[in-house]
Amino acid sequence: DTEVTQTPKHLVMGMTNKKSLKCEQHMGHRAMYWYKQKAKKPPELMFVYSYEKLSINESVPSRFSPECPNSSLLNLHLHALQPEDSALYLCASSQWGSGAVNEQFFGPGTRLTVL
Amino acid sequence: AQSVTQPDIHITVSEGASLELRCNYSYGATPYLFWYVQSPGQGLQLLLKYFSGDTLVQGIKGFEAEFKRSQSSFNLRKPSVHWSDAAEYFCAVPTGANNLFFGTGTRLTVIP
Repeated sequence: DTEVTQTPKHLVMGMTNKKSLKCEQHMGHRAMYWYKQKAKKPPELMFVYSYEKLSINESVPSRFSPECPNSSLLNLHLHALQPEDSALYLCASSQWGSGAVNEQFFGPGTRLTVL
Repeated sequence: AQSVTQPDIHITVSEGASLELRCNYSYGATPYLFWYVQSPGQGLQLLLKYFSGDTLVQGIKGFEAEFKRSQSSFNLRKPSVHWSDAAEYFCAVPTGANNLFFGTGTRLTVIP
């Protein structure tokens, strides 16, 4: 199984809502990632988890809160978002190793719209 | 820091024509380099990667890329484009432990 799944596919939320994005992989990867991608732009790294511990936070606002409950699951909790947070949120996973030589496998993304 | 640039924002080719997408890297030593493809509204899929050795790398879907140190380039090529190749293509380079820096992307349009 070389698939990364993400739910939901689409999410519309108000600025006062609390919602969560979910990501799952069963490839035994110990690195998992959240990216944010605006239209016609490349993905921007938000968070990296290695062995279920947060290893990188790219100065992401606290209204985004990641969680890695186990080695297969990655969540992104959303609260008090702004309209400019509307984007495609991509999850990825890879083996963990130095030099970033490992292929990252991406999920299809969650299209988030904040009203 | 390592980075990549993709000079072409948008390229249009006819179906059956050959394709070359440009990627230039900035790094003193031999970099690791990747090409990813993203179909509309989808995640990214790895087409191919270069670490060392043979400078001509074969990938999936009939794509290949050639690493040229003298030109600091890693251009993606395909001899005959299919309509299904229409997508966004990203060149990428590692910037640290498990980080990827993506180029700005090249959008490929294929016309009949």
